[in-house]
Amino acid sequence: GAVVSQHPSRVICKSGTSVKIECRSLDFQATTMFWYRQFPKQSLMLMATSNEGSKATYEQGVEKDKFLINHASLTLSTLTVTSAHPEDSSFYICSASTAGGVEGYTFGSGTRLTVV
Amino acid sequence: AQSVTQPDIHITVSEGASLELRCNYSYGATPYLFWYVQSPGQGLQLLLKYFSGDTLVQGIKGFEAEFKRSQSSFNLRKPSVHWSDAAEYFCAVGGSGGYNKLIFGAGTRLAVHP
Repeated sequence: GAVVSQHPSRVICKSGTSVKIECRSLDFQATTMFWYRQFPKQSLMLMATSNEGSKATYEQGVEKDKFLINHASLTLSTLTVTSAHPEDSSFYICSASTAGGVEGYTFGSGTRLTVV
Repeated sequence: AQSVTQPDIHITVSEGASLELRCNYSYGATPYLFWYVQSPGQGLQLLLKYFSGDTLVQGIKGFEAEFKRSQSSFNLRKPSVHWSDAAEYFCAVGGSGGYNKLIFGAGTRLAVHP
C-alpha cells in the first residue's frame, strides 16, 4: 500500500531558529500533499496544500512567510518553520494522495516540534 | 459550508461490547468519506473509506461504516471492541480527485475498560 514517510519524528529547537520537516511518498507519486497541524487533544487543522512545481495554497490565518512549503518533486514536500517560537510547538502531519485520490489519503507519522 | 460533526468527544465501552461512533457531514458535492484512527503521538491510519457503491463499507480491524445520504451520516461500528482499539477516531470528508483537502471532525476519544 501507499506509504508516506515523515522525518524527523521529533525535534527540539531553540527559539529563533528554523526547522525543516520532510514528507516523502515512498512508493507512489504525489502531485498534491497536505500539511496539517494538531494541537494536543484536538483535531487536525489544514495549514496548506502543496502542489508539485507550484506555490502552496495556504489556509486562512496561516502565515506563509513563517511556514515555508516546498514541493520540488513528485515524492517530496518540505515544511520549514522559520524563526520558530514556543507557540509554534505542535504536532505537524503531512498527507499525500495517490493519483485520482481513489485510494484515499495516506498520512505520515507526524513530527512533534518543541521550541524552547 | 463544508463541515464534519462528531457529536461524542469521549466514549467509554467495556471490552467485548459493541461500538458505534457517530459522524455527520455537510458537503456540497458528492462526498468521499473516511474514518481514521490515531494512537497517541502517531499519525493517522485509514480504517475505511466510502467513495460510491455499496453503502456498507468494511474496513480493517473489524470496523465497518454505513453511509446514509438521507441523514448525511457515516457512522463507524464494531461488533466487539478490543482493548487495543482505545485511540482517537476521526471522521473526514473530501471531494474526488485526490487534490481536494480533507475536512476533519473534532475526533472521538475511545476508552476501553477491561
